[in-house]
Amino acid sequence: QKEVEQNSGPLSVPEGAIASLNCTYSDRGSQSFFWYRQYSGKSPELIMSIYSNGDKEDGRFTAQLNKASQYVSLLIRDSQPSDSATYLCAVKEAGGGNKLTFGTGTQLKVEL
Amino acid sequence: DVKVTQSSRYLVKRTGEKVFLECVQDMDHENMFWYRQDPGLGLRLIYFSYDVKMKEKGDIPEGYSVSREKKERFSLILESASTNQTSMYLCASSPTTPTYEQYFGPGTRLTVT
Repeated sequence: QKEVEQNSGPLSVPEGAIASLNCTYSDRGSQSFFWYRQYSGKSPELIMSIYSNGDKEDGRFTAQLNKASQYVSLLIRDSQPSDSATYLCAVKEAGGGNKLTFGTGTQLKVEL
Repeated sequence: DVKVTQSSRYLVKRTGEKVFLECVQDMDHENMFWYRQDPGLGLRLIYFSYDVKMKEKGDIPEGYSVSREKKERFSLILESASTNQTSMYLCASSPTTPTYEQYFGPGTRLTVT
C-alpha cells in the first residue's frame, strides 16, 4: 500500500512566523507533488506543485522536494490568520495511473 | 481558470432512495474523480474515469456506481442510500500528461436520514 504521511497537527504558529509543513511518501518512483489548502467546510484548493528536487517559490509559499529522502515540505512565510486551514499533500505515484494519493492533512493555526 | 461545478451544495435524502450527484468541468480534462471525505479519514477515492464511458474502481466503490457519457460530466449514483453514506462528496478533474494536478468542485454535503 503506497502511503503519504503527514502530521495531523494542529500546528500552531504566531502571526508573522514561518510555518513549516512536512510530508513523506513511500513510492520512490513518484514524480509529481502537490500541496492543497482546505478551509473548514470547503473543498481543497491547489496552491503549489513541484516536480523536481529543490525549492519552488510562489509568493509567501515555498515548496521543497527531496526525492532521495522521499519528503516534500511547504513553507509559509509571514503567516497570517487567513492561512489557518488544513494542508493536504498529494503525490502522483509511478504506475498509479492518473490518480493522486493524498495525505490526511496537517491543520495549521496562525495565532494573533 | 478551471471550473468544476457540482449539482448541489447540500442534499438530504432518506434511507433507500436512489441519489444522483453530478459534476461538470469546463477544461476538457480527460480524468474525473469522485471522493468522499469524512473527519479523521481524509479523502477516499470512490471511482474515477480517464475517458468517456470508462471507469475504474477506487478504494471504496461498494454501494456506488458512476456514469460518464460525455467528457465534461461525471455522475455518482448511490443505488440505495444508507446512513453510513452521509458524507462530503467531492468531484475533481485533471489533465493527463504532463502534470496530473487535480481541481476540485465545491463539494456536496449529503445527509441520509
